[in-house]
Amino acid sequence: DTAVSQTPKYLVTQMGNDKSIKCEQNLGHDTMYWYKQDSKKFLKIMFSYNNKELIINETVPNRFSPKSPDKAHLNLHINSLELGDSAVYFCASSFTGTGFGYGYTFGSGTRLTVV
Amino acid sequence: GENVEQHPSTLSVQEGDSAVIKCTYSDSASNYFPWYKQELGKGPQLIIDIRSNVGEKKDQRIAVTLNKTAKHFSLHITETQPEDSAVYFCAASTTGFQKLVFGTGTRLLVSP
Repeated sequence: DTAVSQTPKYLVTQMGNDKSIKCEQNLGHDTMYWYKQDSKKFLKIMFSYNNKELIINETVPNRFSPKSPDKAHLNLHINSLELGDSAVYFCASSFTGTGFGYGYTFGSGTRLTVV
Repeated sequence: GENVEQHPSTLSVQEGDSAVIKCTYSDSASNYFPWYKQELGKGPQLIIDIRSNVGEKKDQRIAVTLNKTAKHFSLHITETQPEDSAVYFCAASTTGFQKLVFGTGTRLLVSP
């Protein structure tokens, strides 16, 4: 199936731990994103990579570090997890062109719970 | 930067009724306006989009309208069905290395 797949789907961890979320897309898109969805369902962009290059880095704590080994993969590593990091994290991908924007394809999300 | 406002936050309709969700955006450079449907436990799914060179677009029971002058765009769902129940998000972006900015979401409940 063509899709954006992210793992794990659920992640429960203690405060202070370090964890990673992985994302892969097989749609041939050149841009990938991480979005955070809080308890009120608000979707906010965190990072964006185009062909492995970081192009969007919103005001996110330094404890969050994305890595894109190639244009089909984008991982998110989080150090020293805090209670406030609990949220659903979505990976997405799209084409990027010089004309109009393009729709994103989202993964199914990773629900992170910090206890 | 871009700011997208979305109303209403919740919308309850009877099956067969129409539903309308409205959004406003702030950045006049925005030229792409998608709508996403998010079902429980799933990621947002693109259902329809519109570009700034078009005023209206329709796909079966759903339609989107855009008023560039007023910076408004709306989602219209006709003949609603219980399976339309979900959270709907509007979004806006510009060209190039786009950053989709999302509205705050509308929870639509369609009662049989």
